[in-house]
Amino acid sequence: DAGITQSPRYKITETGRQVTLMCHQTWSHSYMFWYRQDLGHGLRLIYYSAAADITDKGEVPDGYVVSRSKTENFPLTLESATRSQTSVYFCASSETRGTVESYGYTFGSGTRLTVV
Amino acid sequence: AQSVTQLDSQVPVFEEAPVELRCNYSSSVSVYLFWYVQYPNQGLQLLLKYLSGSTLVKGINGFEAEFNKSQTSFHLRKPSVHISDTAEYFCAVSRVSNTGKLIFGQGTTLQVKP
Repeated sequence: DAGITQSPRYKITETGRQVTLMCHQTWSHSYMFWYRQDLGHGLRLIYYSAAADITDKGEVPDGYVVSRSKTENFPLTLESATRSQTSVYFCASSETRGTVESYGYTFGSGTRLTVV
Repeated sequence: AQSVTQLDSQVPVFEEAPVELRCNYSSSVSVYLFWYVQYPNQGLQLLLKYLSGSTLVKGINGFEAEFNKSQTSFHLRKPSVHISDTAEYFCAVSRVSNTGKLIFGQGTTLQVKP
């Protein structure tokens, strides 16, 4: 199906473990983003990518690693999970080329991560 | 840098009453503005966006928002709400450029009561 898919939908992991959250989009959008959602903070940008092999830090990048070897995939890795990384993670994609009217951001359904 | 402030964390309202969710932004450059809605246990869905042109923007589900550059605001309104409008609403801003980053406010919970 076309769209943006996140996996897994739910994940429980232990402190110190490495965990990778997957994000896949089928539109060939140039931009992709990772946000985390926490009560009282709204959504905060972790990392974003303007194209394959181009990534940059967002507002809260510490403890996270991203890669983007292919346009359609943008995995987020927690190298050594901590309880403070318990959150809901959203992936999004955006196409900012072309007409202004086509600009838009589309979000995945989210991954609820619990670090115990 | 851009920032967004949603002035109310919770807005309770009775069904069929009008509602306004307030959003102010700060930016030294021109911006695009967005409102998203998040229903329980779901992702974010675009309600409407302001890119240019008319300052009154109409979106889905009967919502509209007005861009006010002098007051740096982008308030969301609906003349008559339904129970099904109960959700979290997020205001967001991005630069008018090719950077693509979207900055969100903290969210406003709209609670529609029967």
